[in-house]
Amino acid sequence: DGGITQSPKYLFRKEGQNVTLSCEQNLNHDAMYWYRQDPGQGLRLIYYSQIVNDFQKGDIAEGYSVSREKKESFPLTVTSAQKNPTAFYLCASSPWDVDGYTFGSGTRLTVV
Amino acid sequence: SQQGEEDPQALSIQEGENATMNCSYKTSINNLQWYRQNSGRGLVHLILIRSNEREKHSGRLRVTLDTSKKSSSLLITASRAADTASYFCATDARNTGTASKLTFGTGTRLQVTL
Repeated sequence: DGGITQSPKYLFRKEGQNVTLSCEQNLNHDAMYWYRQDPGQGLRLIYYSQIVNDFQKGDIAEGYSVSREKKESFPLTVTSAQKNPTAFYLCASSPWDVDGYTFGSGTRLTVV
Repeated sequence: SQQGEEDPQALSIQEGENATMNCSYKTSINNLQWYRQNSGRGLVHLILIRSNEREKHSGRLRVTLDTSKKSSSLLITASRAADTASYFCATDARNTGTASKLTFGTGTRLQVTL
């Protein structure tokens, strides 16, 4: 079945550590996105990529980094520079010419 | 930044009643979409309405769009307990030749009781 997979489902990070969240899709979608969701809030865009080897900052990119070396994969690294990383992280993808995103099931990151 | 503000923030109704959620946004858009999120899960795309459309239906869903007021509403008719979820509007202000980039509202939490 085609879909978008995020892993792990839960992730715990110690202060000062970098962690990487995985996002893989087999939908052959060109564009991929990372959003952050805080409790009771909407989604805020961190980074997005319209094509392989290219990505742009969203509204809250500070403290995060991404790469897009393959069409299928768009990993997000939460660096130690992100001061308040505890949140629910959602990855999404979409075709270039069709509206509507497909979302993964999310990764819940907690700083301990 | 969040483009949309949704109203109400929370809504509690009984099964069989209709649920109406509203979304306001700030800038010109190409289309507006509604998504559903069950607790702790990803979002699921429900319906899309383009800027040149005023109303759209899909099953028990009805969406309206008023671009002059920069607002949209989502109506769920004959609600069921399984409709309990958070609902988000998202606006797409994409330019020709670029991929979509959605900006999400703050969401409405819908509780449908038996």
